[in-house]
Amino acid sequence: QSALTQPASVSGSPGQSVTISCTGTRSDIGIYNHVSWYQQHPGKAPKLLIFEVSHRPSGVSNRFSASKSGYTASLTISGLQTEDEADYYCKSFTTSKTWVFGGGTTLTVL
Amino acid sequence: QVQLVESGGGVVRPGGSLTLACEASGFTFSANAMHWVRQPPGKGLEWVTFISDIGDRKYSADSVRGRFTISRDNSMNTLYMQMNSLRTEDTAVYYCARDRIDSWALDHWGHGTLVTVSS
Repeated sequence: QSALTQPASVSGSPGQSVTISCTGTRSDIGIYNHVSWYQQHPGKAPKLLIFEVSHRPSGVSNRFSASKSGYTASLTISGLQTEDEADYYCKSFTTSKTWVFGGGTTLTVL
Repeated sequence: QVQLVESGGGVVRPGGSLTLACEASGFTFSANAMHWVRQPPGKGLEWVTFISDIGDRKYSADSVRGRFTISRDNSMNTLYMQMNSLRTEDTAVYYCARDRIDSWALDHWGHGTLVTVSS
């Protein structure tokens, strides 16, 4: 199972919005809504940001939103803050009854 | 509050074995499926293996199938992963993570334990 495809890096200025894409196949994102997004700061464990394509767990800022179209899921972070600087990963369930992560995207807040 | 604490990491020679444990607290352990996820130094996350709430379903990544075995003891609130035939490419921080019910998302993670496979 190949990793989902994410851009290696994105950047934005404080207050701006950025979108991170996550492209899969007909065997994962294209067929399931079990897409989730995680934030990881250096040296820390990942944190769940989004589950089931677009749902936020309680406690996650509404500056984080997500969607899916076809084989591509997207995470949008609005009103960028310095603490948003981190690595972001998407993940999907697959038809092989496995899960696959994206390669990860490093967000830099300029 | 939900807590997951991994243990058992260390240095092991190629071909060797290691067993990781993840002790859970703050929730009804038997109600949630669990996963192991790993992260090689400086690299991204890789899903490793899954076990259902009562242990009747187990799935694994191709990279570890036949070498790693996940199990759980719901009476002890503990998740395990037996790792055999270890390779240098298995070197990583290993995280246990709780599966959020009905969503296949990982809503709580441990702090991770480092496994280094080296001669």
